Amino acid sequence: EVRVVESGGGLVQPGGSLRLSCAASGFTFSGYWMTWVRQAPGQGLELVANIKQDGSETFYVDSVKGRFTISRDNARNSLYLHMNSLRAEDTAVYYCARGLWFGELFDPWGQGTLVTVSS
Amino acid sequence: DIQMTQSPSSLSASVGDRVTITCRASQGISTYLAWYQQKPERPPKLLIYAASTLQSGVPSRFSGSGSGTDFTLTISSLQPEDVATYYCQKYHTGVTFGGGTKVEIK
Repeated sequence: EVRVVESGGGLVQPGGSLRLSCAASGFTFSGYWMTWVRQAPGQGLELVANIKQDGSETFYVDSVKGRFTISRDNARNSLYLHMNSLRAEDTAVYYCARGLWFGELFDPWGQGTLVTVSS
Repeated sequence: DIQMTQSPSSLSASVGDRVTITCRASQGISTYLAWYQQKPERPPKLLIYAASTLQSGVPSRFSGSGSGTDFTLTISSLQPEDVATYYCQKYHTGVTFGGGTKVEIK
């Protein structure tokens, strides 16, 4: 079964940092783009970042550039999102998803991990 | 940036009804259009890509059509398990999601 499982969310103060992790199984992790998509409470979906199979290419939505870093460890079948200088507007459920079509289609998605930025 | 506009934002229909959701792109996107289903408290699920190709395992009552700027998702006979919010998404040279359409049972 193709599966991705996120971890690492929680409550953090504005300006703080957090690292999200995503463990993949059931497919050849090194053969796929991987992505982070977020959903603010009661809101729609937003691609946050994606990363090419070998890590040589990455994309970030403008609102997180310079603050978030996506990375991967193909030996551990793991994806990460390092989040710094967190803001209230970063509060969301963060989903890890396998990327299809150069990381722009998402299937499957994990259950998500909630990040709450609040004092 | 290309904007994706879905309509309606919500709808209520009876079991067995034919349901149609539309998605309009602000510029032509050929058939680089996907549809996702998000059931309450669940992650999204890819239903359709390339405007009309059903992802494996998706029931055949779901279908997609369109090209250029205008697209539709059709549920031929609404079932109780189809209660969800449906999102369209443009891909290929950038990702943009539509605002979502919430489908409920009347």
